[in-house]
Amino acid sequence: EADIYQTPRYLVIGTGKKITLECSQTMGHDKMYWYQQDPGMELHLIHYSYGVNSTEKGDLSSESTVSRIRTEHFPLTLESARPSHTSQYLCASSVLGDRDTQYFGPGTRLTVL
Amino acid sequence: QKEVEQNSGPLSVPEGAIASLNCTYSDRVSQSFFWYRQYSGKSPELIMSIYSNGDKEDGRFTAQLNKASQYVSLLIRDSQPSDSATYLCAVNGRTGANNLFFGTGTRLTVIP
Repeated sequence: EADIYQTPRYLVIGTGKKITLECSQTMGHDKMYWYQQDPGMELHLIHYSYGVNSTEKGDLSSESTVSRIRTEHFPLTLESARPSHTSQYLCASSVLGDRDTQYFGPGTRLTVL
Repeated sequence: QKEVEQNSGPLSVPEGAIASLNCTYSDRVSQSFFWYRQYSGKSPELIMSIYSNGDKEDGRFTAQLNKASQYVSLLIRDSQPSDSATYLCAVNGRTGANNLFFGTGTRLTVIP
């Protein structure tokens, strides 16, 4: 079973606030990912990382930023939240080269008023 | 053309029946194929992976892979109401970042 955690699980915040969504995994996985998913819609990859000090943009353009200072930690930051950022944010991780099997955290449901 | 195509459904089957979910992919050199289950409002949960042509069985689930036809399927035998969820097909990309490409998902409803 995957040990990947996300906090907070739910967040309701006002427009213009800076927010950081936390993601941590205890499996020592090299690669980590952030996906955005609206209700009933497909997953969109917004950021990923191969390891410490590596960050890459995904397929969907996003105003968020990420950092990877420690292997186990991959936070996502929105400098100024807007209602258009309202969505579910899913973090995932995988072992580099291990057939790309990804394991997902429980997700953060963000609502920007 | 999308990398991974799935019938969005919804697919409805009676309890105890076999549910058949299908997926096609475009990258001929893909080597890893996955099925995830996602309950409404929850995150995707890995239920099956398959890497070689043929069938792979795990309990009530059977994944089938045909690389020549670029086709992956998932069979759920003795379907239960708890199987009602969206099933996502994912295929690894063998170029660039080697990330997974996800389909849009097939919504399955098992009717008691």
